[in-house]
Amino acid sequence: DAEITQSPRHKITETGRQVTLACHQTWNHNNMFWYRQDLGHGLRLIHYSYGVQDTNKGEVSDGYSVSRSNTEDLPLTLESAASSQTSVYFCASSSGTGKLFFGSGTQLSVL
Amino acid sequence: EDKVVQSPLSLVVHEGDTVTLNCSYEVTNFRSLLWYKQEKKAPTFLFMLTSSGIEKKSGRLSSILDKKELFSILNITATQTGDSAIYLCAVNSGAGSYQLTFGKGTKLSVIP
Repeated sequence: DAEITQSPRHKITETGRQVTLACHQTWNHNNMFWYRQDLGHGLRLIHYSYGVQDTNKGEVSDGYSVSRSNTEDLPLTLESAASSQTSVYFCASSSGTGKLFFGSGTQLSVL
Repeated sequence: EDKVVQSPLSLVVHEGDTVTLNCSYEVTNFRSLLWYKQEKKAPTFLFMLTSSGIEKKSGRLSSILDKKELFSILNITATQTGDSAIYLCAVNSGAGSYQLTFGKGTKLSVIP
């Protein structure tokens, strides 16, 4: 069955370190997204991609970057982790119908 | 800026009760509204609505969209403890745009 997987499931890092969260989907979807979820804020869009070599900034993109070298993967990099980036991160993909399929999330703690 | 507002933010009911969750929105170029259920992990898709007045139904859950008044409701009848979750409303807007703007969610707790 097609799926979308995120790794790691949990990550603890220190302020200032570079961190990369992985996202891999086997749906063959062109569209991929990264959201963060925080209490009181809901899901907020960080970055998104509509195809290979395409990346776009979302609502809360400062301090994050993504790259899309193939259809299956959209890694999210925190250039210099900050405590404000402690959050649950969700990757999602879609075929263009508007319906998103989500990964299981990465719980990131920045100490 | 697109805006999606859900109410109430949290709700506690007893098993067997019927609940109504609300979602209002202000977006440019509305395309669709979606409902998701989030338990401990990833949000899972419930409904997508694009047309006013057409009810979508799945078992005890149903949803309807009013494009004139810019809102949607999600109804759950005969609630069960397994319905306890965060219910998320999201809107897709803009030509050529595939991302969703989410509300903050409604946390539903169903107690025996």
